[in-house]
Amino acid sequence: EAQVTQNPRYLITVTGKKLTVTCSQNMNHEYMSWYRQDPGLGLRQIYYSMNVEVTDKGDVPEGYKVSRKEKRNFPLILESPSPNQTSLYFCASKPQGGGSPLHFGNGTRLTVT
Amino acid sequence: AQSVTQPDIHITVSEGASLELRCNYSYGATPYLFWYVQSPGQGLQLLLKYFSGDTLVQGIKGFEAEFKRSQSSFNLRKPSVHWSDAAEYFCAVVGNYGGSQGNLIFGKGTKLSVKP
Repeated sequence: EAQVTQNPRYLITVTGKKLTVTCSQNMNHEYMSWYRQDPGLGLRQIYYSMNVEVTDKGDVPEGYKVSRKEKRNFPLILESPSPNQTSLYFCASKPQGGGSPLHFGNGTRLTVT
Repeated sequence: AQSVTQPDIHITVSEGASLELRCNYSYGATPYLFWYVQSPGQGLQLLLKYFSGDTLVQGIKGFEAEFKRSQSSFNLRKPSVHWSDAAEYFCAVVGNYGGSQGNLIFGKGTKLSVKP
């Protein structure tokens, strides 16, 4: 089944403890992206990647890192999480081409205390 | 900067009633437009998309949307709402310049509640 898989689905951590949220897609998509969703703010893009070894900042990249060493994987790294990074995170992918729709994972709910 | 506006934060309709969710975008040329739906605890699912051609597009779950260039709108409609349609709906446009090029720009979403 074609899908975008994020892990974990739920994560509670403490301020300053490094964490990684994994994202993997099995559709051979070139483009991958991370969003965070907060009440009243909709989806805001954190980072995106047009292809392997190519990553760019989105609208809210501060406090996050990403890497794209393989086409299928696009992990999101929080080196020193803070409470303002408590949010619902979505990974998404799509083929190249501006008109291609995004395929979303089921989300990771992160709580930083 | 390009933007997508969904003027209604929350809408409540009765089951069986018709539905229209509004979406306005700022864009110079013919845009690529999308509607997504997010059910509670789920990711976003594509409902429909518009690239060119017929301005009335059909999607899944009985939804349709109409592109109106003169109004910069892409409103989502359904003739008869079902209780299972209760969800949050997002309109999105593909950015065409600068840092947004190729990326989807989302509206803030409209939450739909359905009364029995």
